[in-house]
Amino acid sequence: ELKVEQNPLFLSMQEGKNYTIYCNYSTTSDRLYWYRQDPGKSLESLFVLLSNGAVKQEGRLMASLDTKARLSTLHITAAVHDLSATYFCAVDKEGSNYQLIWGAGTKLIIKP
Amino acid sequence: NAGVTQTPKFRILKIGQSMTLQCTQDMNHNYMYWYRQDPGMGLKLIYYSVGAGITDKGEVPNGYNVSRSTTEDFPLRLELAAPSQTSVYFCASSPKRPGLAGTGELFFGEGSRLTVL
Repeated sequence: ELKVEQNPLFLSMQEGKNYTIYCNYSTTSDRLYWYRQDPGKSLESLFVLLSNGAVKQEGRLMASLDTKARLSTLHITAAVHDLSATYFCAVDKEGSNYQLIWGAGTKLIIKP
Repeated sequence: NAGVTQTPKFRILKIGQSMTLQCTQDMNHNYMYWYRQDPGMGLKLIYYSVGAGITDKGEVPNGYNVSRSTTEDFPLRLELAAPSQTSVYFCASSPKRPGLAGTGELFFGEGSRLTVL
């Protein structure tokens, strides 16, 4: 059974600091997605990582994928308050092209 | 551009009642999905559709039904509501299915918060 684990599940940090969120998954998959959810809001796609070694950056966020280690990271550089949200990773369920398996989410609070 | 529109945004049901959550998308996406999100958990797929007239079960389909008569609409029906169905429901669509070449990213509606008492 494919499991997706994120850690930490909760992170409180100061503005200006750097930090990394980890997403581990239990079976092979070549595609990993990162989404952002603001409180009470919908989910917004951040990154789609389609191959081993893929790295994508948008502003202060950078995501990478290591399919051999079954690990993706979401790195936050010089955090700002506007990045406060819950971040989810999701992985293709191998053998089923319609189902994404989701992590539980990392709730990120960035204090001024 | 409206994207994915869900109604209602909030609803309280009594145990045993039935209701339909509506979902409409205007992006001409073939693939549509219904997820539920429980507190502190990731999303669970309830049902999905790959095009008009075609639907299939996801991870947690029990207690729900769907239909897809048009490309735009994908309503989710709850029969005989139970407290375990208290959740936030998200409808999503995508132009390509996850796993195909291309991104497969999902576009989500605003969510429908359902409470069953």
